[in-house]
Amino acid sequence: DQQVKQNSPSLSVQEGRISILNCDYTNSMFDYFLWYKKYPAEGPTFLISISSIKDKNEDGRFTVFLNKSAKHLSLHIVPSQPGDSAVYFCAALRGSQGNLIFGKGTKLSVKP
Amino acid sequence: GAGVSQSPSNKVTEKGKDVELRCDPISGHTALYWYRQSLGQGLEFLIYFQGNSAPDKSGLPSDRFSAERTGGSVSTLTIQRTQQEDSAVYLCASSLGGRTFSNQPQHFGDGTRLSIL
Repeated sequence: DQQVKQNSPSLSVQEGRISILNCDYTNSMFDYFLWYKKYPAEGPTFLISISSIKDKNEDGRFTVFLNKSAKHLSLHIVPSQPGDSAVYFCAALRGSQGNLIFGKGTKLSVKP
Repeated sequence: GAGVSQSPSNKVTEKGKDVELRCDPISGHTALYWYRQSLGQGLEFLIYFQGNSAPDKSGLPSDRFSAERTGGSVSTLTIQRTQQEDSAVYLCASSLGGRTFSNQPQHFGDGTRLSIL
């Protein structure tokens, strides 16, 4: 059973607009959430994270929102740029366990 | 280099052969992780090392899979008697490690693309 779900396999957005990537999880024991970005033939690159005690974390154009009651998080990219086109993975972990639990990813395409 | 290094980048082998994949983590990172990504799937956890010991092997899919880490640095993942379902990208990651993982992002290598014919 998938503990981390990204229900949209793909998303297309116009350059300059907002991209919103969504992620749902089932395990209430997760205490940290991360977003990774992956280009073809490269490993995932860490983007931004959020602790379960927070509801928002911002880093430049990237903001992650966490809604614990809904077990939902989202990544906002504003403004979107063509270089943001990649696969975005949502991941979660428990502080006592090292391994990340990943969603299946969402492929973002930003059109010029 | 400064990042996680994996070799080979690509490996094609015949069913039934053994393969060995190598990971060189970021210097100073005590935690090392192996994941794999099959076609159309997310990353699946395989095994985790803290130093040279592996407290969590829960993700290894069968006893054909094993991994070791020596000197607290380089790790090798070995797959014996490979099967076609072993075809995937095998990714290694490292982090600072320690008692808690929450604030230590894992940094990934570019992976080894394994194809079993």
